[in-house]
Amino acid sequence: GESVGLHLPTLSVQEGDNSIINCAYSNSASDYFIWYKQESGKGPQFIIDIRSNMDKRQGQRVTVLLNKTVKHLSLQIAATQPGDSAVYFCAEIYSSASKIIFGSGTRLSIRP
Amino acid sequence: NAGVTQTPKFQVLKTGQSMTLQCAQDMNHNSMYWYRQDPGMGLRLIYYSASEGTTDKGEVPNGYNVSRLNKREFSLRLESAAPSQTSVYFCASSVGGPDTQYFGPGTRLTVL
Repeated sequence: GESVGLHLPTLSVQEGDNSIINCAYSNSASDYFIWYKQESGKGPQFIIDIRSNMDKRQGQRVTVLLNKTVKHLSLQIAATQPGDSAVYFCAEIYSSASKIIFGSGTRLSIRP
Repeated sequence: NAGVTQTPKFQVLKTGQSMTLQCAQDMNHNSMYWYRQDPGMGLRLIYYSASEGTTDKGEVPNGYNVSRLNKREFSLRLESAAPSQTSVYFCASSVGGPDTQYFGPGTRLTVL
């Protein structure tokens, strides 16, 4: 069936270290994927997306990797800062069906 | 630009009461969405509107109605609130399809 899930519900990282947040998906028909950041009391905010025909995409301090063989998506945050504390979740887009499926999220906490 | 705004921010209802959640966007987007977010779960689509004058059911439409009042506004109505509708509700908008949605700050609803 269709599902987008996350390996870990919480992740604690030392400030300055790199963070890696993972996401697994089960359906290969998606067009692309989006990572969202949701801070406490706020709505989700777009971070970065990646098309299904790509393996890697980089943004400012963030990199998304897509492994279609194992249906796995990851978000890497370089030099994690206190402001990165939030829930991160992935979403899978099926453009032809105007459909989006959201994962449940991973909470990232930063240790000083 | 204010982006996507939602009112109210918080609401407590008794079982059986009705209320309308308001959403407005000033980005001239065609598509608007209503989601609910429950603890430990991903965002689930309630209803969406691909353009002014059209609305369609999402994944969890039961117990809700919507109105696309004009291009800017998309309201969600609970006719007879139930405790199972306790959740955080997010409105979102996008230029066209479900990609790159902009989310509002959310409405936290508690039904007693």
